[in-house]
Amino acid sequence: GAGVSQTPSNKVTEKGKYVELRCDPISGHTALYWYRQSLGQGPEFLIYFQGTGAADDSGLPNDRFFAVRPEGSVSTLKIQRTERGDSAVYLCASSEYRDAGELFFGEGSRLTVL
Amino acid sequence: AQKVTQAQTEISVVEKEDVTLDCVYETRDTTYYLFWYKQPPSGELVFLIRRNSFDEQNEISGRYSWNFQKSTSSFNFTITASQVVDSAVYFCALSGATGANNLFFGTGTRLTVIP
Repeated sequence: GAGVSQTPSNKVTEKGKYVELRCDPISGHTALYWYRQSLGQGPEFLIYFQGTGAADDSGLPNDRFFAVRPEGSVSTLKIQRTERGDSAVYLCASSEYRDAGELFFGEGSRLTVL
Repeated sequence: AQKVTQAQTEISVVEKEDVTLDCVYETRDTTYYLFWYKQPPSGELVFLIRRNSFDEQNEISGRYSWNFQKSTSSFNFTITASQVVDSAVYFCALSGATGANNLFFGTGTRLTVIP
């Protein structure tokens, strides 16, 4: 499709396990964002990529969280040693360029840590 | 520090009624941007509007209108003649001078339009 694609849509894992969440942005969009949305809350910023580099990772909660975008397109959010508090919907968004104004969001990956 | 407050957690209206969703923000930036996003049950956030801090003109887009008042730090959203398809969670968001990179979202208002 033409929109932002996120996989998996649902992931259930056990505490302590490692997970990867994938985001495929809209073709040609240079800016990519990860947000996290807990139940009943608004999305919280995690990290922003411009091209291949992380331009702003100030929202990553701790060093268990890491994200990459090696070729400037697909991005992977990696969470090590998952904790129950990591359970949330992880949203990816892209925009045509930095400061484009409109972010195009995917439907998110729902992570449940048991 | 950036902060967005959406005091209305849930609102229910009957179809064809008008409804206003409130948004109050706090920021120390002199240049900033305000946004509204819609999140239908599918979960995908849909962009509705962006407004910069230097443009206080109200905007109308079809049944949607926005009222930006810097004096009260508010950016309210009105839906006229509501429809069932308007049912969703609506988020107000704020970003600093760098634009859309780092959005601070409110907690959202769940709107239910009853047929």
